[in-house]
Amino acid sequence: KQEVTQIPAALSVPEGENLVLNCSFTDSAIYNLQWFRQDPGKGLTSLLLIQSSQREQTSGRLNASLDKSSGRSTLYIAASQPGDSATYLCAVRKETSGSRLTFGEGTQLTVNP
Amino acid sequence: SQTIHQWPATLVQPVGSPLSLECTVEGTSNPNLYWYRQAAGRGLQLLFYSVGIGQISSEVPQNLSASRPQDRQFILSSKKLLLSDSGFYLCAWDRGFSTDTQYFGPGTRLTVL
Repeated sequence: KQEVTQIPAALSVPEGENLVLNCSFTDSAIYNLQWFRQDPGKGLTSLLLIQSSQREQTSGRLNASLDKSSGRSTLYIAASQPGDSATYLCAVRKETSGSRLTFGEGTQLTVNP
Repeated sequence: SQTIHQWPATLVQPVGSPLSLECTVEGTSNPNLYWYRQAAGRGLQLLFYSVGIGQISSEVPQNLSASRPQDRQFILSSKKLLLSDSGFYLCAWDRGFSTDTQYFGPGTRLTVL
């Protein structure tokens, strides 16, 4: 059974810091991994999608890496801003589960001005 | 562009009452559709997914059911709500390809009293 773990569960940093969020998964047979952002009481917004054949994806101040063999992904946020405060979720799409996603429980990020 | 709608946004219902949550997608045809539930401070649990009209797959045994009466409409129902049905319900869609991003609706906050 695929399990997805995100560490830390919560993180509080001062504005301007670079930070790393971690995601690990137990079954390396995945099609892709996605990082999402969720603001309180809102739906999920897709940030980055990394296919299993890729090593990383970048969008603005965000960079996500994938090490499929070790079952790890990181989301790097550069020069954090208070507007980055949200919960960040990673999800994997397994080769054996069709289009279904398996989610981690998220990292709640607070960026203090 | 594609848009996904959910309603209602919030709902407070007594135990034992029926439930109907609706999700519609605009701007695409024959999407895969998903219902997720998110308990407080937790990741997302897939409840149902559908690859076409009238085709519903259930992920977990529960008090809920789903239907897809039209191509871009997905309904989550219950005949009698339980306290444990409280949570944040999210609808999502994708094109059904293994390389796809999933896109989420704004969610429905359900409180069962």
